[in-house]
Amino acid sequence: EPEVTQTPSHQVTQMGQEVILRCVPISNHLYFYWYRQILGQKVEFLVSFYNNEISEKSEIFDDQFSVERPDGSNFTLKIRSTKLEDSAMYFCASSARSEQFFGPGTRLTVL
Amino acid sequence: GQQVMQIPQYQHVQEGEDFTTYCNSSTTLSNIQWYKQRPGGHPVFLIQLVKSGEVKKQKRLTFQFGEAKKNSSLHITATQTTDVGTYFCAGKAAGNKLTFGGGTRVLVKP
Repeated sequence: EPEVTQTPSHQVTQMGQEVILRCVPISNHLYFYWYRQILGQKVEFLVSFYNNEISEKSEIFDDQFSVERPDGSNFTLKIRSTKLEDSAMYFCASSARSEQFFGPGTRLTVL
Repeated sequence: GQQVMQIPQYQHVQEGEDFTTYCNSSTTLSNIQWYKQRPGGHPVFLIQLVKSGEVKKQKRLTFQFGEAKKNSSLHITATQTTDVGTYFCAGKAAGNKLTFGGGTRVLVKP
C-alpha cells in the first residue's frame, strides 16, 4: 500500500540554524500539506500546496517558513532560522481528493 | 479564524463500555473528517462526513454530522484495548485546509 515517507525521523538543531524537512508524498496525489504538532497538543495546519504553489497557509507559516517541490517526488519544508518554539513533530500529508494521508513525522528539537 | 473544539479532552473507559466524543466548529463546515492517532504515531484517516445529518458506521464506530454542519460526534460501542489513542475531528470550511480539534485521548481499563 502506498504511503507518505518523511526524513529524517528526528532532527536536532541549534537555535538560529536552518533546517529542511523532507517528504515523499504518494505518487499520484496532487495536494500536499505540512502540519505540526507540539508534544501533547493538537495538530496544526501550516500550509497546503497544489499545482506548484502555495494554496493556503496559516498564521504560523510566517517568513521563516518556505516549501518547495524541487522535483517530481519530494516536497520540502524549510525553516530559515529555527526558534526554541519550533520544536514539534512535523507531519507531511498528501491527498488525491479529500482524505489526507499522513507521513510518520519528523521530530524537530531546537536547542 | 475558524475554531474546532472537542470534548472531553480525556476519556477513561472500562473495556466493554460505550463512549461518545463531541466536536463543535465555530463556523459551518463543508465536511468533517475524523482521524485516530495512536501513541507515538501519526494521524490516520477514519471517515469523512459531508451531508447535513449524515450518519456513518464502521463496525463499532458511529459517526454523525449535525444538521447545521457545525458539530459532529463519534460513538464507540463495546470499547476494546485496540481503541486506545487520540481521536481528532478535523473540519474543512473552504479549500483544503483542515482545522483539527484538540482531540479526545482515550484510555481503556481492562
